[in-house]
Amino acid sequence: EVQLVESGGVVVQPGGSLRLSCAASGFTFDDYAMHWVRQAPGKGLEWVSLISWDGGSTYYADSVKGRFTISRDNSKNSLYLQMNSLRAEDTALYYCAKDRDSSAYYFDYWGQGTLVTVSS
Amino acid sequence: DIQMTQSPSSLSASVGDRVTITCQASQDISNYLNWYQQKPGKAPKLLIYDASNLETGVPSRFSGSGSGTDFTFTISSLQPEDIATYYCQQYDNLPPPITFGQGTRLEIK
Repeated sequence: EVQLVESGGVVVQPGGSLRLSCAASGFTFDDYAMHWVRQAPGKGLEWVSLISWDGGSTYYADSVKGRFTISRDNSKNSLYLQMNSLRAEDTALYYCAKDRDSSAYYFDYWGQGTLVTVSS
Repeated sequence: DIQMTQSPSSLSASVGDRVTITCQASQDISNYLNWYQQKPGKAPKLLIYDASNLETGVPSRFSGSGSGTDFTFTISSLQPEDIATYYCQQYDNLPPPITFGQGTRLEIK
């Protein structure tokens, strides 16, 4: 059974930093690209970032480019999101999502999310 | 970036009704369009991929169609458990960004 478990969400002050983690199980992690998708309270879904199966290619939404860094450790079946220079508008539930393929660019499994609140 | 316009933003229908949601892309995306269902407090779930392919395990009352810029998602006979918000998602412009529609909140009348 595919499982994705996010962690690391907390309340952080504007300008602060945070690292989210996603522990994956139930599939061959290094066969698939992985994504982060977020959802602000009461709002729709927003794709945040993508990393290729080997970590060699990464992509970001314009709203986070230059502030967030996606990475993965295939030896630990783990995905990460380093978030710097956080803003109030980054407040959201952050989902880890598995790509359908090595580069299909859509999501067949999702975690339950971890909540990031940016507030003073 | 490709923009996705999803309509309606909300919809109220009766059990047994046929329900249709549309999604329009700002440029041709071939069939690179997916549909997700999100129930309150839950993560999204993939229902339809590549515009018209039903994900394994998803009931056959759900269907999708379209190509190019205009896409349709249909529930043939609405069930109480279908209450959710539905999102379209495109992935044509490689490399990303990947974009979602604004969502359609479906309620029972």
